Amino acid sequence: AAGVIQSPRHLIKEKRETATLKCYPIPRHDTVYWYQQGPGQDPQFLISFYEKMQSDKGSIPDRFSAQQFSDYHSELNMSSLELGDSALYFCASSFRLVEQYFGPGTRLTVT
Amino acid sequence: GNSVTQMEGPVTLSEEAFLTINCTYTATGYPSLFWYVQYPGEGLQLLLKATKADDKGSNKGFEATYRKETTSFHLEKGSVQVSDSAVYFCALSYVKNSNRKLIWGLGTSLAVNP
Repeated sequence: AAGVIQSPRHLIKEKRETATLKCYPIPRHDTVYWYQQGPGQDPQFLISFYEKMQSDKGSIPDRFSAQQFSDYHSELNMSSLELGDSALYFCASSFRLVEQYFGPGTRLTVT
Repeated sequence: GNSVTQMEGPVTLSEEAFLTINCTYTATGYPSLFWYVQYPGEGLQLLLKATKADDKGSNKGFEATYRKETTSFHLEKGSVQVSDSAVYFCALSYVKNSNRKLIWGLGTSLAVNP
């Protein structure tokens, strides 16, 4: 069965640089979620999109933005990167408020 | 508000030992409950779920029963293997304002020694 695809899987950036993470949800899923997981921590909800519109917002910094495109893929844009942004970033997708399926994550390292 | 409390780790067991990881929750309404597993260096995988009271979720030898009377969803496995070494997250899911929300426990690290 198709799963959530995230790219890249690993990303290394320097402080103050910009990063873009991509997420391709499971086909026919209408909702995409973004989470951030710091080392040894539980996932923290950032933002979600339903049918290409922002549906919910969590602890997403103002330096980050996200959108969902017409083909339902989503991108998380992160600017002015800080060392503390180093984390695993997960995308999840769901259909009609049923359970979320997670992608493999993008490991972002900021040096 | 809704919350999940999960037993702290790390938990270290010998192969073939019995595993219990406790998870209790507080919630209004009727949430769904999940266990996710995260193997080293990998993403979050849904291990099992239960959507209503007395439901039992099971997968790969793991089981958990949704107990409304004790507000618990403890994860159990009768005989663990080295390959079960991972971090296990208990999570509660509910809908608010037409948005599905996930509340996570802090995770329990399990190490199984041969």
